[in-house]
Amino acid sequence: DPKIIQKPKYLVAVTGSEKILICEQYLGHNAMYWYRQSAKKPLEFMFSYSYQKLMDNQTASSRFQPQSSKKNHLDLQITALKPDDSATYFCASSRDWGGGAETLYFGSGTRLTVL
Amino acid sequence: GDSVTQTEGLVTLTEGLPVMLNCTYQSTYSPFLFWYVQHLNEAPKLLLKSFTDNKRPEHQGFHATLHKSSSSFHLQKSSAQLSDSALYYCALSDGSGTYQRFGTGTKLQVVP
Repeated sequence: DPKIIQKPKYLVAVTGSEKILICEQYLGHNAMYWYRQSAKKPLEFMFSYSYQKLMDNQTASSRFQPQSSKKNHLDLQITALKPDDSATYFCASSRDWGGGAETLYFGSGTRLTVL
Repeated sequence: GDSVTQTEGLVTLTEGLPVMLNCTYQSTYSPFLFWYVQHLNEAPKLLLKSFTDNKRPEHQGFHATLHKSSSSFHLQKSSAQLSDSALYYCALSDGSGTYQRFGTGTKLQVVP
C-alpha cells in the first residue's frame, strides 16, 4: 500500500486557472515537502513543513501556496497557472525536519500539464 | 551556496560492466550525501546515504564513499544489471538542517 498518497495522478489545466494538488502521508512523519520535477530543473525543492509550520520556502512566486490542515496532510494550491508550471510535483516526507541525515520518502507524483 | 554536481546526463553501459556515476558537491557545513534512484514512472527512493568521511555504505550492490577531501560521493557497482536502468540523483543536505538539494541527475541505461 502506498504510504504517501498524491491526488490526482494526472492533471490538465488551462492557462490562468487554479488547481490544488493533494498529499497525505501515512508514515507517521513530522515533516513534509514539495518538490517539482521538470525537464528544465530536475527535482527542485519548493517548500518544507514541520508540524504544520512552514520551515523553508524556495519558491519565488506567491502563486504557489502550500496548505496544511493536518500534520500528515500538505496540499499545494497553484493559482494563475502558466504553461511553465507544467511539471511533475512530488510530495515527500521525512521523520523529522532539520536533522540533515533524514531520508526523504516520495509520493508517486502529480503530473500537471498547463495548456 | 551549497550545490551538487552530476556531470553525466546519460551513461550507457553493457550489462556486466562496472558502474560509476559521478557526484561532487560544495557545502558550507558538514554535509550529508544521498543517492536516490528513480525508475521510469516511479517516485525517487533512497538508495544509500552517508555523512561519515571515508565510510562506504552499500545497498543492492551499489556503494559510495564520501570523500570530504575531494568533496565527492561517487556511486559504484561492480557489475551492471538491466534492472539498474534508471535515473540516479545525488543529493546534499548540510548541518544547518535545511532542505535536500538534488543534482541534475544521471540517466543510467544498461543494455544487453
